[in-house]
Amino acid sequence: AQSVTQLGSHVSVSEGALVLLRCNYSSSVPPYLFWYVQYPNQGLQLLLKYTSAATLVKGINGFEAEFKKSETSFHLTKPSAHMSDAAEYFCAVSEGNTPLVFGKGTRLSVIA
Amino acid sequence: DAGVIQSPRHEVTEMGQEVTLRCKPISGHDYLFWYRQTMMRGLELLIYFNNNVPIDDSGMPEDRFSAKMPNASFSTLKIQPSEPRDSAVYFCASSLGQGVTDTQYFGPGTRLTVL
Repeated sequence: AQSVTQLGSHVSVSEGALVLLRCNYSSSVPPYLFWYVQYPNQGLQLLLKYTSAATLVKGINGFEAEFKKSETSFHLTKPSAHMSDAAEYFCAVSEGNTPLVFGKGTRLSVIA
Repeated sequence: DAGVIQSPRHEVTEMGQEVTLRCKPISGHDYLFWYRQTMMRGLELLIYFNNNVPIDDSGMPEDRFSAKMPNASFSTLKIQPSEPRDSAVYFCASSLGQGVTDTQYFGPGTRLTVL
């Protein structure tokens, strides 16, 4: 069965610094991978998704993620953090037509 | 479109009481998902429907939980009787399909507190 591990339940960065949120997956078939973001008191919304096309996926708000099969990773990055990026970020995996399995989330804090 | 609508946004009840959470998916979406979010367990899928039919309810924690989708525009999640450990944020999400290109759209959630 597929699973996702997000390393670090809380990450803190300075405004303007690089954001790196880590996600490793386990899947018995080529996976489909997603990053969702949850702002306070809101539901989740899709940031980006990998669907076996280009391994570098660009999403909204300047975020991108790279699929690395050899490392079973799908880390999320943003070159320069903004205060508005403070939120909780969830990595998720699907093995095709199966429901998404979400990681436990990483809370991103941005320090002025 | 108004997005996925959930009601109530907050619910406080006492142990043993029946709780009903409601969801209106985005019009035209074929799939509806119910999730539960807690600090300890993260985001868990409880059940999902396709064209109003329950497909997988293996995530429903126990018989106290039940979900229905009487039509394409309405679903309920019921807990009877409620217990303090049911306290969580419950999300409803909908999508056009379950294919990998189909994004799930989440509602704002219902924060349930069982005293």
